[in-house]
This record gives sequence, structure tokens and C-alpha cells, in this order.
Amino acid sequence: DTEVTQTPKHLVMGMTNKKSLKCEQHMGHRAMYWYKQKAKKPPELMFVYSYEKLSINESVPSRFSPECPNSSLLNLHLHALQPEDSALYLCASSLQQGGSYNSPLHFGNGTRLTVT
Amino acid sequence: GQQVMQIPQYQHVQEGEDFTTYCNSSTTLSNIQWYKQRPGGHPVFLIQLVKSGEVKKQKRLTFQFGEAKKNSSLHITATQTTDVGTYFCAGPQGAQKLVFGQGTRLTINP
Repeated sequence: DTEVTQTPKHLVMGMTNKKSLKCEQHMGHRAMYWYKQKAKKPPELMFVYSYEKLSINESVPSRFSPECPNSSLLNLHLHALQPEDSALYLCASSLQQGGSYNSPLHFGNGTRLTVT
Repeated sequence: GQQVMQIPQYQHVQEGEDFTTYCNSSTTLSNIQWYKQRPGGHPVFLIQLVKSGEVKKQKRLTFQFGEAKKNSSLHITATQTTDVGTYFCAGPQGAQKLVFGQGTRLTINP
């Protein structure tokens, strides 16, 4: 079980659809992340929010739009995706941003996204 | 930027055999973290090493951090089928983010 909850678990969407991924944590963590993971690859950082402000955007295409409504919630809005965007999307949180001491990442179960 | 290299990419062992994965960084790390991802699952934090030369054990798992804080290893003694998965090392890049190694995928023949 994970303390970071992601919904939905699976999502199939067409290239013209608009959908949103949701993530929630109640551990009091102040940093939240979106990662993308392709099969047999490591997680690839997309966005980082620290204290509810976007602090890192890893040059992600604008068809991915993150949102942090409050310190416990993180959304990823999807629009006009391409088939190559199909992947496992992982949300994570940590006490503080980055890989500092005593601030490991807690991952959610992920959303397995298929773009048709 | 800083890179974290991990080898081997794959390892297949017989149940009961030992397993080791190695992680090397191009720069000195303030700490290194290890994660395990079961097939179909998500990465789960295992441990963090901070001190030069540090060795930590979790049951059959032994984690080491090199004296120069540029390399690390994870050794599993007498593997069990529950050890199956991909093991990732990860090191901080500046104060901003964590960089993951490519991972070592462990499969076990029972």
C-alpha cells in the first residue's frame, strides 16, 4: 500500500481527448512530482512543485499541464496527446524538494495511460 | 549534468544465489538512495546512505556507499523469489531533483 493515491489506475484516451490525472497525499510533504516511466526504463522527471509552486519543468510539451491546487493535491491535465505519450505516470511526494537527506520519494501506484 | 550509471542492466539468478548491482556517479554525491520496483508496481524507497564508506543492512540486503561518495552497491544474499524486480539507485542533482540510474532488472529461477 502507498500513502500517495493516484487516480485513475488505467486510462485510455484518444488524441483529441482532454483528461486529468489526480494525485493526493496527506503526509504533510511539501514537494510533489510527476514522473513518466516507459517500459524497462527509469522514472523520468517531468515536473516538481515545491510549496505549491512550480519549481521545475523538464521541458515537457505543453500538452501536459500540471496544477497544484493545494499542498495535498497534484493534477496533470492532458490534451491532444500522441501515441508515444503512452506510459506509466507516477506521482511522488517528499518532505522537501530534491534528493536531500531524510527526504526520499514516496510514489503512488501510477496511472497507466494508453493514447490511441 | 550529473549522471548515475548502473550495472548490470539485467541479472538472472537461481534462487539461493547472491546478487549485486553497482551504481557509479560522475560527481560526488551528498547521499544515495535505493528503490525497488516490483513488476507492474511502483518504485518503493529502500534506504538512503549519507556517510563516506557507510554500510547498512536490511535482512539479506547489504548497501554500501563508497569512500569517495561516487559509487554504491546493493548486495542480496541467498535470493528469494520475492526479490524479483528492478532495483534503482538515485542521487541528488544539486538541491533540485533526484536522478535515477537505469536500473538492474533481477529475475530468479525458482
